[in-house]
Amino acid sequence: DAGVTQSPTHLIKTRGQQVTLRCSPKSGHDTVSWYQQALGQGPQFIFQYYEEEERQRGNFPDRFSGHQFPNYSSELNVNALLLGDSALYLCASNTGGGTDTQYFGPGTRLTVL
Amino acid sequence: RKEVEQDPGPFNVPEGATVAFNCTYSNSASQSFFWYRQDCRKEPKLLMSVYSSGNEDGRFTAQLNRASQYISLLIRDSKLSDSATYLCVVNRPSTNAGKSTFGDGTTLTVKP
Repeated sequence: DAGVTQSPTHLIKTRGQQVTLRCSPKSGHDTVSWYQQALGQGPQFIFQYYEEEERQRGNFPDRFSGHQFPNYSSELNVNALLLGDSALYLCASNTGGGTDTQYFGPGTRLTVL
Repeated sequence: RKEVEQDPGPFNVPEGATVAFNCTYSNSASQSFFWYRQDCRKEPKLLMSVYSSGNEDGRFTAQLNRASQYISLLIRDSKLSDSATYLCVVNRPSTNAGKSTFGDGTTLTVKP
């Protein structure tokens, strides 16, 4: 039973660039949520995708966008990168719109120079 | 004020000690509650759900007090392997989807 997978594991970008992060949910899950975790803080909710639509969004600017594909996998895109975007980006999956227990992927560590 | 607040610690305890973590939440519409464990530079992993009646899983006991909007986690007979950051998570359903709000975590170090 495959768990949540994310790619890449690490990424280094410079200010102003754009980045795309990818996530495949746990087998049987149809809902994907993205979180940003800065050093020393808890994960902060970015948005959630269900049925290929963004269902809820946290307090993140429009530079953060996403997509969910018919196979339930998801992408997180961040445009015009800032130094403050450096963080661990976590993907979590669950079922039915997201009120159940979430399972997290290993994360993508993004460094913006 | 943050929606979910935890004492950041760190808690430094000897092996065998009993340690308790607290978490408060501000939104009374919150409906489900969890404790996650996060090891250094790893992803959070579910430790246990928290129910109003309280629940126990081996050395771990979780309690929920809805009236006081307070969650607790008790670890008995601490092991070296319990060293980690413990995250309190509160879910608040919206019209379309659940939303998880995490605390910033409490760091536990268990020493020999």
